[in-house]
Amino acid sequence: DTGVSQNPRHKITKRGQNVTFRCDPISEHNRLYWYRQTLGQGPEFLTYFQNEAQLEKSRLLSDRFSAERPKGSFSTLEIQRTEQGDSAMYLCASSLAAGGYNQPQHFGDGTRLSIL
Amino acid sequence: AQKVTQAQTEISVVEKEDVTLDCVYETRDTTYYLFWYKQPPSGELVFLIRRNSFDEQNEISGRYSWNFQKSTSSFNFTITASQVVDSAVYFCALSRVTGGGNKLTFGTGTQLKVEL
Repeated sequence: DTGVSQNPRHKITKRGQNVTFRCDPISEHNRLYWYRQTLGQGPEFLTYFQNEAQLEKSRLLSDRFSAERPKGSFSTLEIQRTEQGDSAMYLCASSLAAGGYNQPQHFGDGTRLSIL
Repeated sequence: AQKVTQAQTEISVVEKEDVTLDCVYETRDTTYYLFWYKQPPSGELVFLIRRNSFDEQNEISGRYSWNFQKSTSSFNFTITASQVVDSAVYFCALSRVTGGGNKLTFGTGTQLKVEL
């Protein structure tokens, strides 16, 4: 059973650049979530998809952030015009939701973003 | 709004000691899920347990046990006979049963250090 895979593991970029992260969920999972975690804090919800539909976005997700899940499989999270405050660990999770019964979310290793 | 409080920032114990990690939550929902996740130094969040608010039975899994008390809005986690491999950050989390895609609201985590 392959777990949630995230790429890249680390990303270092200059302020103002655009970055894109990829998440491959567990294959049969129809829900996919993005969270952000800063040092010493718990993960904070950013957005989630059910299949290809993006159903909710947090207020944390500014206009510079966009997420897609075009075919209901992998997802990408893009940050445009990065700022110092975007430095964080970006976590992806997936779960199975069917018939109103929701399984726990399983997380990937995360992508650590550092803005110079 | 949902909130999870983990008042213990860091706990240090000597191997074989028992240790309890506290979790207090706030929610207006009458039904909800509670979770514990472990985050070792490698960074991946590992799911430990999910508890439905309907079920107030305590649970034991090997050296791990969980005490859910709805009356005090607490969901505490005890590790018996701790081991060095238990060293990690532990997060308590809360989600709705319906609506909101079951996004997780995390506490700030408790860093557990188990020393020889």
